[in-house]
Amino acid sequence: KQEVTQIPAALSVPEGENLVLNCSFTDSAIYNLQWFRQDPGKGLTSLLLIQSSQREQTSGRLNASLDKSSGRSTLYIAASQPGDSATYLCAALSGSARQLTFGSGTQLTVLP
Amino acid sequence: DAGVTQSPTHLIKTRGQQVTLRCSPKSGHDTVSWYQQALGQGPQFIFQYYEEEERQRGNFPDRFSGHQYPNYSSELNVNALLLGDSALYLCASSKRGTNYGYTFGSGTRLTVV
Repeated sequence: KQEVTQIPAALSVPEGENLVLNCSFTDSAIYNLQWFRQDPGKGLTSLLLIQSSQREQTSGRLNASLDKSSGRSTLYIAASQPGDSATYLCAALSGSARQLTFGSGTQLTVLP
Repeated sequence: DAGVTQSPTHLIKTRGQQVTLRCSPKSGHDTVSWYQQALGQGPQFIFQYYEEEERQRGNFPDRFSGHQYPNYSSELNVNALLLGDSALYLCASSKRGTNYGYTFGSGTRLTVV
């Protein structure tokens, strides 16, 4: 059974700082790993998707890396802004039914 | 290109009642998955529908049931509501057999009183 863990659970940083969010998964036989953003009370917005054959993906100030062998992924946010404040969730796609398993998220607060 | 549409956005029900939530998948997607997200937690997998059949189920009781229609839209039904069923219910669609990402709807906030 796939289990996904995110560390830290919460993070508060001053504006402009670069930061790293961590995600680990127990079953390395994944198809892909997806990072989502969730604003309070809202649905999930996909940020980056890394296929199992890839090492990283970039979109603007966001960069996600994947190390399948160690069961880890990181989301790097450069030059953080108050608008980046949200909960960030990672999810691994695995299993015969290609089921998405989520971590509990990292709640990020960027202080102006 | 319409994404995933869920209705209603908010719902308040009394304990013991039944509720139906609806989801229309993204164009081109044929698989619908439902998730329950309690406050402060990550989404938990309820079940997945493909070709109008339940293909995979998470650790949820039989009070949770679903349906998928020929046009790929889906319903989530919850019977005998408990206070603990209060949560954000998320629908996600995907294309079967591919490793493309899931697309999520905005969710239905269910409050059981």
